[in-house]
Amino acid sequence: GENVEQHPSTLSVQEGDSAVIKCTYSDSASNYFPWYKQELGKRPQLIIDIRSNVGEKKDQRIAVTLNKTAKHFSLHITETQPEDSAVYFCAATLNRDDKIIFGKGTRLHILP
Amino acid sequence: GAVVSQHPSWVICKSGTSVKIECRSLDFQATTMFWYRQFPKQSLMLMATSNEGSKATYEQGVEKDKFLINHASLTLSTLTVTSAHPEDSSFYICSARDPGLWSYEQYFGPGTRLTVT
Repeated sequence: GENVEQHPSTLSVQEGDSAVIKCTYSDSASNYFPWYKQELGKRPQLIIDIRSNVGEKKDQRIAVTLNKTAKHFSLHITETQPEDSAVYFCAATLNRDDKIIFGKGTRLHILP
Repeated sequence: GAVVSQHPSWVICKSGTSVKIECRSLDFQATTMFWYRQFPKQSLMLMATSNEGSKATYEQGVEKDKFLINHASLTLSTLTVTSAHPEDSSFYICSARDPGLWSYEQYFGPGTRLTVT
C-alpha cells in the first residue's frame, strides 16, 4: 500500500522567512496530494492540494510543487506569520473515493 | 463546503466498557466514510473504511472485533470501541467525500476525544 514520508518533523522559522516541508510517496498510481494544517485538538484543515496532472499550484503565500517522476511533493509557505505555527501534514490518495494516507507531520514554529 | 459532524466531542469511560462514536454527513450523502485515530503528537492513522450497506474494510493491525463499524445509512457511520482499555484513549476522527462534488476533497469531522480510565 501507499506510504508517505514527511520531513522535517520539526521546523523553526523566523517570522517573515519561508518554510519548506517535503514529502515522498511510494505508490506511483497516487494522483491527489492534499496538505493539511492542524491546530491542537482540532480537525485537519485543507490548506492546498494538487492533482498529479499539475506540477505546481499557488494560493497567496502557500504553494505546492509535485515531481511525479521522483515521487516528491513539497509545501512552501512564504512570508511566514505567527498564525502559521501549527502541525502540517502531507497526504496522498489514489482516487476520489480512496483512503487518504498521511505523512507523520511537521511541527512548524514561527519565531518572533 | 460539505459538513461532517461527530458526537460526542469527548467521552470518558471506564475500562472494560464500550463506547459509540457517531459520524454524520450533514448536507450530503456519503457511501464511504473513513475512520482515523490520532495519538498525541502523532499523525492520523487510518483505521477502517466504512461502506454503506456492507462490511467495513479494516487496515492491517486494527482489530475488527474491537472496533465495530456500522454504516447503516448514507449519512451516518458509527464506531464502537468495545471493551475499552486505557491504551484506546485517543482522538478519533472521521472523514467523507461529497460524491456530488467534482473535487477530491475529504471533509473531516471535528473529532472525538476518548479517555478510558
